[in-house]
Amino acid sequence: GAVVSQHPSRVICKSGTSVKIECRSLDFQATTMFWYRQFPKQSLMLMATSNEGSKATYEQGVEKDKFLINHASLTLSTLTVTSAHPEDSSFYICSARREGINTEAFFGQGTRLTVV
Amino acid sequence: RKEVEQDPGPFNVPEGATVAFNCTYSNSASQSFFWYRQDCRKEPKLLMSVYSSGNEDGRFTAQLNRASQYISLLIRDSKLSDSATYLCVGLTGGGNKLTFGTGTQLKVEL
Repeated sequence: GAVVSQHPSRVICKSGTSVKIECRSLDFQATTMFWYRQFPKQSLMLMATSNEGSKATYEQGVEKDKFLINHASLTLSTLTVTSAHPEDSSFYICSARREGINTEAFFGQGTRLTVV
Repeated sequence: RKEVEQDPGPFNVPEGATVAFNCTYSNSASQSFFWYRQDCRKEPKLLMSVYSSGNEDGRFTAQLNRASQYISLLIRDSKLSDSATYLCVGLTGGGNKLTFGTGTQLKVEL
């Protein structure tokens, strides 16, 4: 079964509105979760690292005021795309790793966002 | 230069063939590597972990060459269901940062 659950799997929204995506670790606590974006035929690009109880760490070029990340508990991180525009349309995926050295990452099912 | 580089392919092979993918990395501090498989419009799923020199799981063999800084994935007796994009992933940043290659697309044909 899924170890990391992401919701919603698909969302269509109007330009200018905000969209919240949830990422939950189901059977382990994750102090750190990761948010990626993937455009068609491209690789996953790390957007930010979500840290439980503290501010997220954003990758260069990712606007922190546009992509709001909240990691309020050890099993939930949320990504809110604010004032969405058509160029924000993409596949957003979260991941989490169990504590330990060299542990693999588990991915959520992904959210396909379409901004019209 | 990208931290993790892969040939994007596509590799078109007949069913039953053996196919190999290579992945090179630039960060010598990378601790371990993974091969993930990603189907179209789906999330990546772990195929194999590569910590030391290599790993084998059924038809799949992964090898790590730290001196030359490359990782390989060998698929034997390929099946139609092996068609997917294979992502090479490096773990760095004190074991906290995953860096993805662009992926290699494999198409197994009848």
